[in-house]
Amino acid sequence: DAGVIQSPRHEVTEMGQEVTLRCKPISGHNSLFWYRQTMMRGLELLIYFNNNVPIDDSGMPEDRFSAKMPNASFSTLKIQPSEPRDSAVYFCASSLFGSSGNTIYFGEGSWLTVV
Amino acid sequence: AQSVSQHNHHVILSEAASLELGCNYSYGGTVNLFWYVQYPGQHLQLLLKYFSGDPLVKGIKGFEAEFIKSKFSFNLRKPSVQWSDTAEYFCAVKRDRDDKIIFGKGTRLHILP
Repeated sequence: DAGVIQSPRHEVTEMGQEVTLRCKPISGHNSLFWYRQTMMRGLELLIYFNNNVPIDDSGMPEDRFSAKMPNASFSTLKIQPSEPRDSAVYFCASSLFGSSGNTIYFGEGSWLTVV
Repeated sequence: AQSVSQHNHHVILSEAASLELGCNYSYGGTVNLFWYVQYPGQHLQLLLKYFSGDPLVKGIKGFEAEFIKSKFSFNLRKPSVQWSDTAEYFCAVKRDRDDKIIFGKGTRLHILP
Protein backbone atom coordinates (compact mmCIF):
# COMPACT_ATOMS: atom_id res chain seq x y z
CA ASP A 1 0.00 0.00 0.00
CA ALA A 2 1.18 3.51 -0.75
CA GLY A 3 1.99 5.54 2.31
CA VAL A 4 1.87 9.28 2.69
CA ILE A 5 3.53 10.80 -0.35
CA GLN A 6 5.30 14.14 -0.21
CA SER A 7 6.96 16.25 -2.84
CA PRO A 8 9.48 17.62 -3.39
CA ARG A 9 11.82 15.51 -1.28
CA HIS A 10 14.48 18.19 -1.34
CA GLU A 11 14.29 21.87 -2.26
CA VAL A 12 16.84 24.64 -2.16
CA THR A 13 15.49 28.11 -2.83
CA GLU A 14 16.53 31.70 -2.45
CA MET A 15 15.16 33.96 0.21
CA GLY A 16 12.00 35.71 -0.93
CA GLN A 17 10.88 32.96 -3.27
CA GLU A 18 7.61 31.13 -2.89
CA VAL A 19 7.79 27.52 -1.76
CA THR A 20 4.98 24.99 -2.20
CA LEU A 21 5.11 21.61 -0.52
CA ARG A 22 2.69 18.91 -1.52
CA CYS A 23 1.17 15.94 0.23
CA LYS A 24 -1.00 13.01 -0.72
CA PRO A 25 -2.39 11.27 2.37
CA ILE A 26 -3.13 7.59 2.68
CA SER A 27 -6.32 6.75 0.84
CA GLY A 28 -9.28 6.61 3.22
CA HIS A 29 -7.67 8.67 5.95
CA ASN A 30 -9.68 11.68 7.05
CA SER A 31 -7.13 13.66 9.05
CA LEU A 32 -4.02 15.31 7.69
CA PHE A 33 -1.21 17.00 9.60
CA TRP A 34 1.69 19.26 8.68
CA TYR A 35 4.69 19.19 11.02
CA ARG A 36 7.99 21.06 10.92
CA GLN A 37 11.17 19.58 12.37
CA THR A 38 14.27 21.57 13.30
CA MET A 39 17.18 20.95 15.61
CA MET A 40 16.22 23.87 17.84
CA ARG A 41 12.50 23.33 18.20
CA GLY A 42 12.05 19.63 17.53
CA LEU A 43 8.83 18.46 15.90
CA GLU A 44 6.15 21.15 15.78
CA LEU A 45 2.56 20.72 14.66
CA LEU A 46 1.77 23.51 12.21
CA ILE A 47 -1.80 22.71 11.20
CA TYR A 48 -4.17 19.82 10.90
CA PHE A 49 -7.25 19.11 8.84
CA ASN A 50 -10.16 16.81 9.43
CA ASN A 51 -12.38 15.97 6.46
CA ASN A 52 -10.53 18.66 4.45
CA VAL A 53 -11.40 21.37 7.00
CA PRO A 54 -8.63 23.12 8.94
CA ILE A 55 -9.26 22.34 12.61
CA ASP A 56 -6.28 23.89 14.36
CA ASP A 57 -3.76 26.22 12.72
CA SER A 58 -2.37 27.66 15.94
CA GLY A 59 1.05 26.26 15.13
CA MET A 60 1.43 28.16 11.87
CA PRO A 61 4.31 30.51 12.65
CA GLU A 62 3.13 33.59 10.77
CA ASP A 63 1.11 34.86 7.84
CA ARG A 64 3.79 33.85 5.38
CA PHE A 65 2.63 30.26 5.92
CA SER A 66 -0.62 28.95 4.49
CA ALA A 67 -2.07 25.48 3.99
CA LYS A 68 -4.91 24.18 1.91
CA MET A 69 -6.67 20.89 1.44
CA PRO A 70 -8.91 21.19 -1.62
CA ASN A 71 -9.90 17.52 -1.52
CA ALA A 72 -9.37 14.37 0.50
CA SER A 73 -6.32 13.28 -1.47
CA PHE A 74 -4.23 16.43 -1.67
CA SER A 75 -2.83 19.17 0.53
CA THR A 76 -0.33 21.97 0.09
CA LEU A 77 1.78 24.00 2.49
CA LYS A 78 2.93 27.28 1.03
CA ILE A 79 5.55 29.71 2.29
CA GLN A 80 5.56 33.16 0.66
CA PRO A 81 8.01 34.81 0.90
CA SER A 82 10.46 32.27 2.25
CA GLU A 83 13.21 33.17 4.73
CA PRO A 84 16.39 31.32 5.80
CA ARG A 85 14.84 30.54 9.20
CA ASP A 86 12.20 28.48 7.40
CA SER A 87 14.85 25.88 6.58
CA ALA A 88 13.64 22.63 8.10
CA VAL A 89 12.18 19.26 7.30
CA TYR A 90 8.45 19.46 6.73
CA PHE A 91 6.51 16.29 7.38
CA CYS A 92 3.00 15.52 6.26
CA ALA A 93 1.11 12.82 8.13
CA SER A 94 -2.35 11.29 8.00
CA SER A 95 -4.61 9.20 10.17
CA LEU A 96 -8.12 7.80 10.31
CA PHE A 97 -9.81 9.75 13.07
CA GLY A 98 -12.19 7.61 15.04
CA SER A 99 -10.42 4.34 14.35
CA SER A 100 -9.08 2.27 17.19
CA GLY A 101 -5.63 3.53 18.14
CA ASN A 102 -5.65 6.54 15.81
CA THR A 103 -2.17 5.84 14.53
CA ILE A 104 -0.62 8.67 12.56
CA TYR A 105 1.49 7.76 9.54
CA PHE A 106 4.25 10.04 8.31
CA GLY A 107 5.54 10.82 4.87
CA GLU A 108 9.25 10.86 4.20
CA GLY A 109 9.47 14.61 4.55
CA SER A 110 10.39 17.58 2.40
CA TRP A 111 13.86 18.92 3.20
CA LEU A 112 13.75 22.68 2.63
CA THR A 113 16.80 24.92 2.55
CA VAL A 114 16.34 28.66 2.08
CA VAL A 115 19.55 30.51 1.27
CA ALA B 1 -1.99 24.03 27.37
CA GLN B 2 -1.38 20.43 26.57
CA SER B 3 2.29 19.48 26.48
CA VAL B 4 4.58 16.48 26.28
CA SER B 5 7.88 16.44 28.13
CA GLN B 6 10.78 14.15 27.36
CA HIS B 7 13.34 14.51 30.09
CA ASN B 8 16.38 13.19 28.30
CA HIS B 9 17.53 15.14 25.27
CA HIS B 10 20.54 12.98 24.50
CA VAL B 11 21.34 9.51 25.84
CA ILE B 12 24.52 7.54 25.16
CA LEU B 13 24.68 3.85 26.07
CA SER B 14 26.82 0.85 25.35
CA GLU B 15 25.40 -2.16 23.59
CA ALA B 16 23.52 -4.55 25.91
CA ALA B 17 22.76 -1.78 28.41
CA SER B 18 19.21 -1.30 29.59
CA LEU B 19 17.25 1.70 28.38
CA GLU B 20 14.51 3.83 29.88
CA LEU B 21 13.35 7.07 28.26
CA GLY B 22 11.00 9.27 30.23
CA CYS B 23 7.82 10.87 28.91
CA ASN B 24 5.27 12.91 30.83
CA TYR B 25 2.23 14.69 29.50
CA SER B 26 -0.12 17.30 30.81
CA TYR B 27 -3.77 16.67 29.99
CA GLY B 28 -6.46 15.61 32.41
CA GLY B 29 -8.70 13.66 30.07
CA THR B 30 -8.45 10.35 28.30
CA VAL B 31 -5.46 10.06 26.01
CA ASN B 32 -3.88 7.81 23.44
CA LEU B 33 -0.12 7.52 23.81
CA PHE B 34 2.55 6.75 21.24
CA TRP B 35 6.26 6.28 20.84
CA TYR B 36 7.75 6.92 17.42
CA VAL B 37 11.30 6.29 16.24
CA GLN B 38 13.20 8.24 13.60
CA TYR B 39 16.33 6.57 12.23
CA PRO B 40 18.96 8.91 10.76
CA GLY B 41 17.72 10.51 7.57
CA GLN B 42 14.35 8.79 7.70
CA HIS B 43 10.78 9.65 8.63
CA LEU B 44 9.03 8.83 11.87
CA GLN B 45 7.78 5.29 12.33
CA LEU B 46 5.45 3.93 15.00
CA LEU B 47 7.20 1.93 17.70
CA LEU B 48 4.22 1.21 19.94
CA LYS B 49 0.96 2.72 21.16
CA TYR B 50 -1.45 2.63 24.06
CA PHE B 51 -5.13 3.43 23.83
CA SER B 52 -6.83 1.16 26.40
CA GLY B 53 -6.43 -2.06 28.34
CA ASP B 54 -3.18 -3.40 29.71
CA PRO B 55 -1.00 -0.41 30.63
CA LEU B 56 2.14 -2.35 29.71
CA VAL B 57 2.45 -2.18 25.97
CA LYS B 58 4.88 -4.20 23.89
CA GLY B 59 6.10 -2.87 20.57
CA ILE B 60 8.47 -3.81 17.81
CA LYS B 61 12.16 -4.61 18.22
CA GLY B 62 11.86 -5.53 21.90
CA PHE B 63 10.61 -2.15 23.09
CA GLU B 64 7.89 -1.77 25.69
CA ALA B 65 6.26 1.13 27.49
CA GLU B 66 4.21 1.45 30.65
CA PHE B 67 1.33 3.87 31.05
CA ILE B 68 1.04 5.10 34.63
CA LYS B 69 -2.07 7.24 34.75
CA SER B 70 -1.44 8.64 38.23
CA LYS B 71 1.93 9.93 37.13
CA PHE B 72 0.85 11.06 33.64
CA SER B 73 3.79 9.05 32.34
CA PHE B 74 4.50 6.72 29.45
CA ASN B 75 8.14 5.67 29.73
CA LEU B 76 9.83 3.63 27.03
CA ARG B 77 12.04 0.69 27.98
CA LYS B 78 14.26 -1.93 26.41
CA PRO B 79 16.22 -4.43 28.51
CA SER B 80 19.21 -4.71 26.15
CA VAL B 81 19.90 -2.16 23.43
CA GLN B 82 21.67 -2.77 20.14
CA TRP B 83 23.80 -0.52 17.96
CA SER B 84 20.94 -0.44 15.45
CA ASP B 85 18.72 1.28 18.04
CA THR B 86 20.65 4.50 17.46
CA ALA B 87 17.90 6.93 16.51
CA GLU B 88 15.71 9.72 17.82
CA TYR B 89 12.68 8.72 19.87
CA PHE B 90 9.51 10.78 20.16
CA CYS B 91 6.71 10.45 22.65
CA ALA B 92 3.30 11.67 21.48
CA VAL B 93 -0.11 12.22 23.00
CA LYS B 94 -3.53 12.41 21.39
CA ARG B 95 -6.51 13.76 23.28
CA ASP B 96 -9.68 11.72 23.19
CA ARG B 97 -11.83 14.60 22.06
CA ASP B 98 -10.08 15.40 18.81
CA ASP B 99 -7.40 14.29 16.42
CA LYS B 100 -4.62 16.62 17.49
CA ILE B 101 -1.39 14.77 18.25
CA ILE B 102 1.31 16.56 20.19
CA PHE B 103 4.91 15.35 20.11
CA GLY B 104 7.65 15.76 22.66
CA LYS B 105 10.93 17.33 21.55
CA GLY B 106 12.55 13.94 21.14
CA THR B 107 15.43 12.05 22.73
CA ARG B 108 18.52 11.30 20.68
CA LEU B 109 19.82 7.84 21.54
CA HIS B 110 23.35 6.90 20.57
CA ILE B 111 24.49 3.32 21.12
CA LEU B 112 28.22 2.67 21.24
CA PRO B 113 29.27 -0.60 19.58
